[in-house]
Amino acid sequence: AQSVTQLGSHVSVSEGALVLLRCNYSSSVPPYLFWYVQYPNQGLQLLLKYTTGATLVKGINGFEAEFKKSETSFHLTKPSAHMSDAAEYFCAVTREAAGNKLTFGGGTRVLVKP
Amino acid sequence: NAGVMQNPRHLVRRRGQEARLRCSPMKGHSHVYWYRQLPEEGLKFMVYLQKENIIDESGMPKERFSAEFPKEGPSILRIQQVVRGDSAAYFCASSPSVGSGQPQHFGDGTRLSIL
Repeated sequence: AQSVTQLGSHVSVSEGALVLLRCNYSSSVPPYLFWYVQYPNQGLQLLLKYTTGATLVKGINGFEAEFKKSETSFHLTKPSAHMSDAAEYFCAVTREAAGNKLTFGGGTRVLVKP
Repeated sequence: NAGVMQNPRHLVRRRGQEARLRCSPMKGHSHVYWYRQLPEEGLKFMVYLQKENIIDESGMPKERFSAEFPKEGPSILRIQQVVRGDSAAYFCASSPSVGSGQPQHFGDGTRLSIL
């Protein structure tokens, strides 16, 4: 079985400040990890993914995430928040034997203050 | 290359009616997934299909819900005798293959409202 926990359902950051969204997973086998972003009334857009190899993964819109196996974490960061980053962010996990079906965290809604 | 297309975007039904949600995967994608997003919740897996086959329906309610992905045409998620609790956003995703962390591409969803 696999699960994902996102700490903080809402995060408020000032424009230009660091964005840090936390994600912890549990998986009995090596996981594949994803971050998706959802803008209002839209579907999910892939920000980045970790499968194998380098543990620091860079994605679109200046986001990056680091896979830390010892901490079972895959936190998402962006050095400087922009107003357009206001959205909901979902961490998700799957594994080879799961047929690619994704297990999502509860999501973190990001508010960016001017 | 068109993305995952879902229709309708919004669907209103009265209790007891049937709801049909359609999903056309991206070109070249033969794997389709349906997820449900209840208000203020994350997405929950419902069903995974390949052409003409249901591979995993472990997340789909046993009654009233069914899904298909015929050889020709879109994937259909069908909800019979809808109830208020079926009100949610239903998302379809597709991928060209499975394994190796192949990412899924999502449609914009169908927002189902039950009166």
